[in-house]
Amino acid sequence: ETGVTQSPTHLIKTRGQQVTLRCSSQSGHNTVSWYQQALGQGPQFIFQYYREEENGRGNFPPRFSGLQFPNYSSELNVNALELDDSALYLCASSSGLAGGGTQYFGPGTRLLVL
Amino acid sequence: AQTVTQSQPEMSVQEAETVTLSCTYDTSESDYYLFWYKQPPSRQMILVIRQEAYKQQNATENRFSVNFQKAAKSFSLKISDSQLGDAAMYFCAYSIRMDSSYKLIFGSGTRLLVRP
Repeated sequence: ETGVTQSPTHLIKTRGQQVTLRCSSQSGHNTVSWYQQALGQGPQFIFQYYREEENGRGNFPPRFSGLQFPNYSSELNVNALELDDSALYLCASSSGLAGGGTQYFGPGTRLLVL
Repeated sequence: AQTVTQSQPEMSVQEAETVTLSCTYDTSESDYYLFWYKQPPSRQMILVIRQEAYKQQNATENRFSVNFQKAAKSFSLKISDSQLGDAAMYFCAYSIRMDSSYKLIFGSGTRLLVRP
């Protein structure tokens, strides 16, 4: 069974640029959630995709957007990067309502905005 | 408000001893689950244990067990026979039902140090 993978592992961008982060979900999972984890804090929910449709969104501006593909992999796009976007971005996969939505996380992408 | 509070920023335990990490949460939902995740320096969140809120029996996974007090909205994690590999950040979380799945609400974490 293949776990959740994310790419790239690290990324450095400058303010105003755009970035795309990628996530491959665990085999058999149809739901991908994205979280932002600032240094020293717990993860914050950005949004979730279920069977290629957005299934919920946290308190993040529209410049944070995403996609889910037919194979249930997903992308997180951030436009007009700001310094505060520097964080660890975590992707998690799950299987709909199974197990209370137990989510399995990837290793994360560390984004630094200069 | 949907919040999770971990009041202990850092805890320390001697190897082979027992430690308890505290967590309280606030939700008006009836359908939710509770989780403890471990995040070592490698950054990857690892599921430690899960508790269904509708079950009164406390969950256990080997050396890890929880004390779930639903009325008090308390969900503490007990680690027995602590090992050096247990050193990590520990996050308490609960899941909130959305249309077709759940989202997680996390606390701010407790750093666990294990002394050899």
